[in-house]
Amino acid sequence: GNSVTQMEGPVTLSEEAFLTINCTYTATGYPSLFWYVQYPGEGLQLLLKATKADDKGSNKGFEATYRKETTSFHLEKGSVQVSDSAVYFCALSDSGYSTLTFGKGTMLLVSP
Amino acid sequence: DAGVIQSPRHEVTEMGQEVTLRCKPISGHNSLFWYRQTMMRGLELLIYFNNNVPIDDSGMPEDRFSAKMPNASFSTLKIQPSEPRDSAVYFCASSAGQGTYSNQPQHFGDGTRLSIL
Repeated sequence: GNSVTQMEGPVTLSEEAFLTINCTYTATGYPSLFWYVQYPGEGLQLLLKATKADDKGSNKGFEATYRKETTSFHLEKGSVQVSDSAVYFCALSDSGYSTLTFGKGTMLLVSP
Repeated sequence: DAGVIQSPRHEVTEMGQEVTLRCKPISGHNSLFWYRQTMMRGLELLIYFNNNVPIDDSGMPEDRFSAKMPNASFSTLKIQPSEPRDSAVYFCASSAGQGTYSNQPQHFGDGTRLSIL
């Protein structure tokens, strides 16, 4: 079956630090990969996506590259801000009907 | 464009009462998903619909839970009778999935925070 494994949090960083949140996956087919972000009291928002190997998704300074050889989709940002504090979910979709398999989420806390 | 709209945002009720959560998906989206989020279990998919038809309800925890989608613009999730362990945040999401081979992203509502006393 499909599964997504994320690094456990919380990840605590100072403003302007470099961010990496690791994500690896197991899938039977050729999945699409997503990062979602959840701010306190809100629903999940799509942050970025990649649909095939070697694709790079990017948005708001965040990037992730679809690595088929290592089955990974790590999220990176060069300089985090306090406003990036949120929970980040890695997810894949390959079961049809746009169903998603989510990781457990990683909380990011950025201090000034 | 309006996003996924859920109501109510907050619901507090006593155990044994019936609870109905509502969702309006994004216009033109034909897949709809109901999730439950708790600290202990994370994000769980309860049920999803495609073209108003339930495709997979294996995530529905018990017979006390039921979901309907009478038309393309409205869905309900009902709990009857409610229990304290049903307390959670319930999310609705929709996507423009076109069926079995679709991997379109899902768009989430802001959720309903449900507390059963």
